Amino acid sequence: QSALTQPPSASGSPGQSVTISCTGTNNDVGGNNYVSWYQQHPGKAPKLIIYEVAKRPSGVPDRFSGSKSGNTASLTVSGLQTEDEAEYYCCSYAGTNYVFGAGTKVTVL
Amino acid sequence: EMQLVESGGGLVKPGGSLRLSCVVSGFNFRSYSMNWVRQSPGKDLEWVASVSSTGNYVYYADSVKGRFTISRDNAKNSLFLQMNSLRGEDSAVYYCARNVATNSRGGFDPWGQGTLVSV
Repeated sequence: QSALTQPPSASGSPGQSVTISCTGTNNDVGGNNYVSWYQQHPGKAPKLIIYEVAKRPSGVPDRFSGSKSGNTASLTVSGLQTEDEAEYYCCSYAGTNYVFGAGTKVTVL
Repeated sequence: EMQLVESGGGLVKPGGSLRLSCVVSGFNFRSYSMNWVRQSPGKDLEWVASVSSTGNYVYYADSVKGRFTISRDNAKNSLFLQMNSLRGEDSAVYYCARNVATNSRGGFDPWGQGTLVSV
């Protein structure tokens, strides 16, 4: 059982936006600004796309954005492209450990 | 280019041991905290352990505490995970991953390609 709650699936047409939520507790998401998001394509290692709630690593398109309100973090993918179809995981630091969500499968219709 | 290359995975019987290694290149290894993260066949990602840049501080998930040991050799740009008393639920792809920044707990980047452990 994952510590962070994500919807199992989300979808959108090319060009549309999709937002994925990630709900935790005061001990993790709500307790610090160390939320990160990962994109994973089948057979590949996870790739960091958002760190520290809203920062983008070099090379990640600005179509990806992150935010947080209380115990819920969100990832928004704007202007969906076919290559955005993947599994997305959130993660939060929780004091001395890290917790992940179970992942959200994003389908580009 | 930053690279992390894991090795040491394989098939082991319950109760057995394995030692995973991760050799890194392309960045100043001794400046970063490092981590092991695993992904079960059911796809769930689970943080396993972290070690500080100097190796002085280590942290473990409750699920592996007392059975796994994380360590590093900064002279050899290498990270290790000694896994003892292995159980079926330890079966997973094990990734080594660097903290995104030297003074941040805000994410893991980059990741290795992973090594498969089957118990």
